[in-house]
Amino acid sequence: DTGVSQDPRHKITKRGQNVTFRCDPISEHNRLYWYRQTLGQGPEFLTYFQNEAQLEKSRLLSDRFSAERPKGSFSTLEIQRTEQGDSAMYLCASSSRADRAGANVLTFGAGSRLTVL
Amino acid sequence: AQSVTQLDSQVPVFEEAPVELRCNYSSSVSVYLFWYVQYPNQGLQLLLKYLSGSTLVKGINGFEAEFNKSQTSFHLRKPSVHISDTAEYFCAAYLTGGGNKLTFGTGTQLKVEL
Repeated sequence: DTGVSQDPRHKITKRGQNVTFRCDPISEHNRLYWYRQTLGQGPEFLTYFQNEAQLEKSRLLSDRFSAERPKGSFSTLEIQRTEQGDSAMYLCASSSRADRAGANVLTFGAGSRLTVL
Repeated sequence: AQSVTQLDSQVPVFEEAPVELRCNYSSSVSVYLFWYVQYPNQGLQLLLKYLSGSTLVKGINGFEAEFNKSQTSFHLRKPSVHISDTAEYFCAAYLTGGGNKLTFGTGTQLKVEL
């Protein structure tokens, strides 16, 4: 297993277009997370899946954003009608069941950088 | 609101000198704390974590951190840095009531110079 894979690594799009990012987690991990990172900031939580169930969503995840994990393996993050403010690095992470309540250790992918012109 | 604060946005240091990157969290109860490193154009890599037990935690690449509950701090240290340590360092925590959301600080850019 080569870790968490994200595709594409870079995406340049025009405002108003739709984009989709894919994340393949570590195979034995049942938990998957999406984060967004803008320049000079730390990653911000977007959403979290346990298997195929989306259990938490941030207020940052507007109606234009949708995430799926249909078979509990890979996940997609779609942004509809992109805006310039959506330009950021979108990070995916996965984890196995926590060692203890709340202590999930996340393994991150390399990220997908989105530039909206 | 509960948060993670990294007081220094940039820390320049000469090679082989010691370094401390500061992190404070705003909770008065036990938390789970992490340090991640991010090299240019890469994802985040776990350096070390504190879940319980000994307050001095050792991680990869010679880094260590000390959990101080009374000062709500989790500072990262390395006794002698190398050029290859140049990167962005993020402190993160699961905070009380935060569910499964790992909360990150804004990051500290460590620049090691010759």
